[in-house]
Amino acid sequence: GPKVLQIPSHQIIDMGQMVTLNCDPVSNHLYFYWYKQILGQQMEFLVNFYNGKVMEKSKLFKDQFSVERPDGSYFTLKIQPTALEDSAVYFCASSPGQGGTEVFFGKGTRLTVV
Amino acid sequence: GDSVTQTEGPVTVSESESLIINCTYSATSIAYPNLFWYVRYPGEGLQLLLKVITAGQKGSSRGFEATYNKETTSFHLQKASVQESDSAVYYCALGPQGTGSKLSFGKGAKLTVSP
Repeated sequence: GPKVLQIPSHQIIDMGQMVTLNCDPVSNHLYFYWYKQILGQQMEFLVNFYNGKVMEKSKLFKDQFSVERPDGSYFTLKIQPTALEDSAVYFCASSPGQGGTEVFFGKGTRLTVV
Repeated sequence: GDSVTQTEGPVTVSESESLIINCTYSATSIAYPNLFWYVRYPGEGLQLLLKVITAGQKGSSRGFEATYNKETTSFHLQKASVQESDSAVYYCALGPQGTGSKLSFGKGAKLTVSP
Protein backbone atom coordinates (compact mmCIF):
# COMPACT_ATOMS: atom_id res chain seq x y z
CA GLY A 1 0.00 0.00 0.00
CA PRO A 2 0.95 3.67 0.03
CA LYS A 3 4.03 4.47 2.07
CA VAL A 4 5.24 7.52 3.92
CA LEU A 5 9.02 7.43 4.16
CA GLN A 6 11.07 8.98 6.93
CA ILE A 7 14.83 9.06 6.78
CA PRO A 8 16.86 8.61 8.90
CA SER A 9 15.22 6.39 11.48
CA HIS A 10 17.42 7.78 14.24
CA GLN A 11 19.18 11.12 14.55
CA ILE A 12 21.41 12.38 17.35
CA ILE A 13 21.98 16.10 17.72
CA ASP A 14 23.75 18.36 20.18
CA MET A 15 21.51 20.62 22.22
CA GLY A 16 21.27 24.07 20.66
CA GLN A 17 21.96 22.86 17.15
CA MET A 18 19.46 22.85 14.31
CA VAL A 19 17.89 19.66 13.02
CA THR A 20 15.69 18.99 10.02
CA LEU A 21 13.52 15.90 9.91
CA ASN A 22 12.61 14.77 6.42
CA CYS A 23 9.46 13.09 5.24
CA ASP A 24 8.54 11.79 1.80
CA PRO A 25 4.73 11.66 1.86
CA VAL A 26 2.50 9.58 -0.37
CA SER A 27 2.45 11.09 -3.83
CA ASN A 28 -0.67 13.09 -4.68
CA HIS A 29 -1.57 13.52 -1.02
CA LEU A 30 -2.58 17.03 -0.07
CA TYR A 31 -2.50 17.11 3.75
CA PHE A 32 0.64 16.62 5.82
CA TYR A 33 1.15 16.19 9.52
CA TRP A 34 3.75 15.83 12.23
CA TYR A 35 3.15 13.99 15.49
CA LYS A 36 5.48 13.64 18.49
CA GLN A 37 5.73 10.71 20.87
CA ILE A 38 7.82 10.89 24.01
CA LEU A 39 8.81 7.50 25.43
CA GLY A 40 5.97 6.01 27.47
CA GLN A 41 3.45 8.63 26.39
CA GLN A 42 0.87 8.83 23.65
CA MET A 43 1.51 10.19 20.22
CA GLU A 44 0.49 13.85 20.11
CA PHE A 45 -0.41 16.12 17.25
CA LEU A 46 2.05 18.88 16.44
CA VAL A 47 0.91 20.48 13.20
CA ASN A 48 -0.92 19.96 9.93
CA PHE A 49 -0.13 21.58 6.61
CA TYR A 50 -2.11 22.14 3.44
CA ASN A 51 -1.63 24.15 0.30
CA GLY A 52 1.67 25.53 1.51
CA LYS A 53 0.36 26.72 4.86
CA VAL A 54 0.01 25.58 8.44
CA MET A 55 -3.64 24.83 9.11
CA GLU A 56 -3.50 24.08 12.80
CA LYS A 57 -0.80 23.68 15.40
CA SER A 58 -0.82 22.47 18.97
CA LYS A 59 0.81 24.05 22.00
CA LEU A 60 3.65 21.53 21.54
CA PHE A 61 4.58 23.28 18.30
CA LYS A 62 6.98 25.76 19.86
CA ASP A 63 8.33 28.88 18.19
CA GLN A 64 11.54 26.95 17.51
CA PHE A 65 9.61 24.59 15.21
CA SER A 66 8.84 25.22 11.56
CA VAL A 67 7.49 23.15 8.66
CA GLU A 68 7.64 23.49 4.94
CA ARG A 69 7.29 21.55 1.72
CA PRO A 70 9.23 23.47 -0.91
CA ASP A 71 8.17 22.73 -4.49
CA GLY A 72 6.33 19.53 -3.61
CA SER A 73 9.42 17.75 -2.37
CA TYR A 74 10.08 16.56 1.16
CA PHE A 75 7.84 17.73 3.95
CA THR A 76 10.22 18.89 6.66
CA LEU A 77 10.14 19.69 10.34
CA LYS A 78 12.91 22.00 11.46
CA ILE A 79 13.82 22.61 15.07
CA GLN A 80 16.14 25.53 15.74
CA PRO A 81 17.56 25.52 18.34
CA THR A 82 16.99 22.07 19.78
CA ALA A 83 16.42 21.44 23.50
CA LEU A 84 16.71 18.29 25.59
CA GLU A 85 12.92 18.00 25.82
CA ASP A 86 12.71 17.71 22.04
CA SER A 87 14.01 14.16 22.33
CA ALA A 88 11.17 11.98 21.05
CA VAL A 89 10.00 9.99 18.06
CA TYR A 90 8.54 12.21 15.37
CA PHE A 91 5.99 10.71 13.02
CA CYS A 92 5.14 12.18 9.66
CA ALA A 93 1.78 11.48 8.04
CA SER A 94 -0.18 12.40 4.95
CA SER A 95 -3.74 12.07 3.70
CA PRO A 96 -5.35 12.41 0.28
CA GLY A 97 -7.81 15.23 0.80
CA GLN A 98 -11.12 15.23 -0.99
CA GLY A 99 -12.49 11.76 -1.46
CA GLY A 100 -10.30 10.12 1.13
CA THR A 101 -9.65 10.77 4.78
CA GLU A 102 -7.37 7.89 5.75
CA VAL A 103 -4.14 9.12 7.25
CA PHE A 104 -0.96 7.24 6.36
CA PHE A 105 1.94 7.31 8.79
CA GLY A 106 5.68 6.87 8.45
CA LYS A 107 7.73 4.66 10.76
CA GLY A 108 9.06 7.67 12.64
CA THR A 109 12.41 9.32 13.27
CA ARG A 110 13.83 8.96 16.75
CA LEU A 111 15.47 12.25 17.68
CA THR A 112 17.93 12.24 20.55
CA VAL A 113 19.15 15.61 21.79
CA VAL A 114 22.27 15.34 23.92
CA GLY B 1 -9.45 18.90 25.50
CA ASP B 2 -10.14 15.71 23.60
CA SER B 3 -8.59 12.54 24.98
CA VAL B 4 -8.52 8.77 24.69
CA THR B 5 -7.94 6.26 27.47
CA GLN B 6 -7.24 2.68 26.55
CA THR B 7 -5.97 -0.59 27.95
CA GLU B 8 -2.24 -0.23 28.18
CA GLY B 9 0.04 -3.10 27.33
CA PRO B 10 1.43 -5.54 27.49
CA VAL B 11 -1.51 -7.78 26.74
CA THR B 12 -0.71 -11.46 26.33
CA VAL B 13 -3.22 -13.87 24.85
CA SER B 14 -2.89 -17.43 23.60
CA GLU B 15 -3.61 -18.20 19.98
CA SER B 16 -7.31 -18.85 19.23
CA GLU B 17 -8.42 -17.12 22.45
CA SER B 18 -10.64 -14.06 22.43
CA LEU B 19 -9.39 -10.51 22.87
CA ILE B 20 -10.78 -7.23 24.09
CA ILE B 21 -8.83 -3.98 24.30
CA ASN B 22 -10.80 -1.28 26.06
CA CYS B 23 -11.04 2.29 24.82
CA THR B 24 -13.01 5.21 26.22
CA TYR B 25 -12.94 8.73 24.91
CA SER B 26 -13.73 12.29 25.85
CA ALA B 27 -14.60 14.65 23.02
CA THR B 28 -15.10 18.09 24.51
CA SER B 29 -14.37 20.09 21.37
CA ILE B 30 -15.86 17.75 18.78
CA ALA B 31 -19.62 17.35 18.42
CA TYR B 32 -19.51 14.20 16.27
CA PRO B 33 -16.11 12.56 16.59
CA ASN B 34 -14.84 9.87 14.27
CA LEU B 35 -13.32 6.89 16.10
CA PHE B 36 -10.39 4.81 14.91
CA TRP B 37 -8.24 1.85 15.72
CA TYR B 38 -4.72 1.98 14.35
CA VAL B 39 -2.16 -0.83 14.48
CA ARG B 40 1.61 -0.95 14.30
CA TYR B 41 3.04 -4.31 13.32
CA PRO B 42 6.71 -4.97 14.16
CA GLY B 43 8.95 -3.00 11.83
CA GLU B 44 6.06 -1.22 10.17
CA GLY B 45 4.47 2.20 10.33
CA LEU B 46 1.15 2.93 11.95
CA GLN B 47 -1.76 1.86 9.76
CA LEU B 48 -5.50 2.17 9.98
CA LEU B 49 -7.26 -0.98 11.16
CA LEU B 50 -10.84 0.27 11.24
CA LYS B 51 -12.88 3.40 11.70
CA VAL B 52 -16.48 4.30 12.55
CA ILE B 53 -17.91 7.74 11.96
CA THR B 54 -21.48 7.25 13.19
CA ALA B 55 -22.56 6.52 16.76
CA GLY B 56 -24.16 3.11 17.12
CA GLN B 57 -22.36 1.65 14.13
CA LYS B 58 -19.82 -1.16 14.15
CA GLY B 59 -16.62 -1.31 12.18
CA SER B 60 -14.77 -4.49 11.30
CA SER B 61 -11.54 -5.51 9.62
CA ARG B 62 -9.31 -8.61 9.65
CA GLY B 63 -11.64 -10.26 12.17
CA PHE B 64 -11.52 -7.29 14.57
CA GLU B 65 -14.65 -5.38 15.52
CA ALA B 66 -15.41 -2.20 17.42
CA THR B 67 -18.74 -0.52 18.14
CA TYR B 68 -19.10 3.24 18.57
CA ASN B 69 -21.05 3.60 21.82
CA LYS B 70 -21.94 7.22 22.47
CA GLU B 71 -23.76 6.48 25.74
CA THR B 72 -20.75 4.91 27.39
CA THR B 73 -18.24 6.89 25.25
CA SER B 74 -16.50 3.64 24.41
CA PHE B 75 -14.98 2.01 21.35
CA HIS B 76 -13.61 -1.32 22.55
CA LEU B 77 -11.70 -3.52 20.11
CA GLN B 78 -12.62 -7.20 20.06
CA LYS B 79 -11.63 -10.33 18.23
CA ALA B 80 -13.13 -13.76 18.78
CA SER B 81 -10.02 -15.78 17.96
CA VAL B 82 -6.59 -14.18 17.72
CA GLN B 83 -3.67 -15.39 15.65
CA GLU B 84 0.03 -15.07 16.21
CA SER B 85 0.17 -12.61 13.30
CA ASP B 86 -2.05 -10.22 15.31
CA SER B 87 0.86 -9.45 17.62
CA ALA B 88 1.28 -5.67 17.34
CA VAL B 89 0.62 -2.41 19.15
CA TYR B 90 -2.98 -1.18 18.94
CA TYR B 91 -3.95 2.48 19.29
CA CYS B 92 -7.40 3.91 19.78
CA ALA B 93 -7.88 7.42 18.37
CA LEU B 94 -10.51 10.06 17.76
CA GLY B 95 -10.77 13.00 15.43
CA PRO B 96 -13.26 15.44 13.96
CA GLN B 97 -15.03 14.82 10.69
CA GLY B 98 -13.48 16.14 7.54
CA THR B 99 -10.17 15.95 5.79
CA GLY B 100 -6.89 17.14 7.19
CA SER B 101 -7.99 16.93 10.80
CA LYS B 102 -5.80 16.10 13.76
CA LEU B 103 -6.11 12.85 15.67
CA SER B 104 -5.94 12.29 19.43
CA PHE B 105 -4.39 8.94 20.34
CA GLY B 106 -4.37 6.62 23.32
CA LYS B 107 -1.05 5.34 24.65
CA GLY B 108 -1.27 2.06 22.78
CA ALA B 109 -1.59 -1.56 23.90
CA LYS B 110 1.10 -4.03 22.94
CA LEU B 111 -0.52 -7.35 22.14
CA THR B 112 1.52 -10.54 22.16
CA VAL B 113 -0.19 -13.69 20.93
CA SER B 114 1.55 -16.83 22.06
CA PRO B 115 1.35 -20.04 20.01
